[in-house]
Amino acid sequence: NAGVMQNPRHLVRRRGQEARLRCSPMKGHSHVYWYRQLPEEGLKFMVYLQKENIIDESGMPKERFSAEFPKEGPSILRIQQVVRGDSAAYFCASSPLSDRVGTEAFFGQGTRLTVV
Amino acid sequence: LAKTTQPISMDSYEGQEVNITCSHNNIATNDYITWYQQFPSQGPRFIIQGYKTKVTNEVASLFIPADRKSSTLSLPRVSLSDTAVYYCLVGDSNYQLIWGAGTKLIIKP
Repeated sequence: NAGVMQNPRHLVRRRGQEARLRCSPMKGHSHVYWYRQLPEEGLKFMVYLQKENIIDESGMPKERFSAEFPKEGPSILRIQQVVRGDSAAYFCASSPLSDRVGTEAFFGQGTRLTVV
Repeated sequence: LAKTTQPISMDSYEGQEVNITCSHNNIATNDYITWYQQFPSQGPRFIIQGYKTKVTNEVASLFIPADRKSSTLSLPRVSLSDTAVYYCLVGDSNYQLIWGAGTKLIIKP
C-alpha cells in the first residue's frame, strides 16, 4: 500500500504563473488535508477535503488559492498568479474514515514551490 | 483551540534516553495529545498518541500526568537518525491541530 504521493516534489514558477500541486491519498483514505510550511516553522492548516466536498477551507487565502478532491483522481491545490511569498513547502495528508484524532494522518513528502 | 509550549531545541548523545516535555495548560476534555517527527525535506511522521497516563509503542513512550496539562515524549536509546524536529499537538480532530515550531533534537555521536 503506497503512502501519500505528492507531485511534483519540486516546482519552480515565475511570478504570475499558475502552480498545480497534486496529492494522491493512501488507498482507502477519503479525508485529505493540505498544509503549508515555511522554513523553521510548523505546518499551517490550509484546507480539509473529502471526496467532492470542501469541509473546511478556513486556512486558505481568500484569493488565488483553490483546492479540489474529485471523485476520481488526486486532490489538487491550485495557486494562481503566484507571488514570491507563495514560496514554501506544501504538504498533503490523508486519513481513512474520520478526521478525529485516533485515526492517524499520514503525510506525503511535500512539494517545494519556489517562485522566481 | 489548545496551544502547546515545548523547548525550541535539545541536544543529546547516542545511546541516551531523551525526554521532551510539552506544556498544554488549556487542553480540553476531548483533546488527545499527539507527537509527530519531521526530518528535513520530508513530511511529518506520526510517532505516538495518548489521552492519559502512559502509552508505549515500538518507537517511544508518552507520559501524561493526571491533570493532562503537560506530556513527555520519551525516546529510549537514541541514535543519530533520531535527529529531527518533534512536534507536540493537542486536539480532537486532525485538521484542527495547531502546529508550533516544534523541538529541534540533535543527537551527537
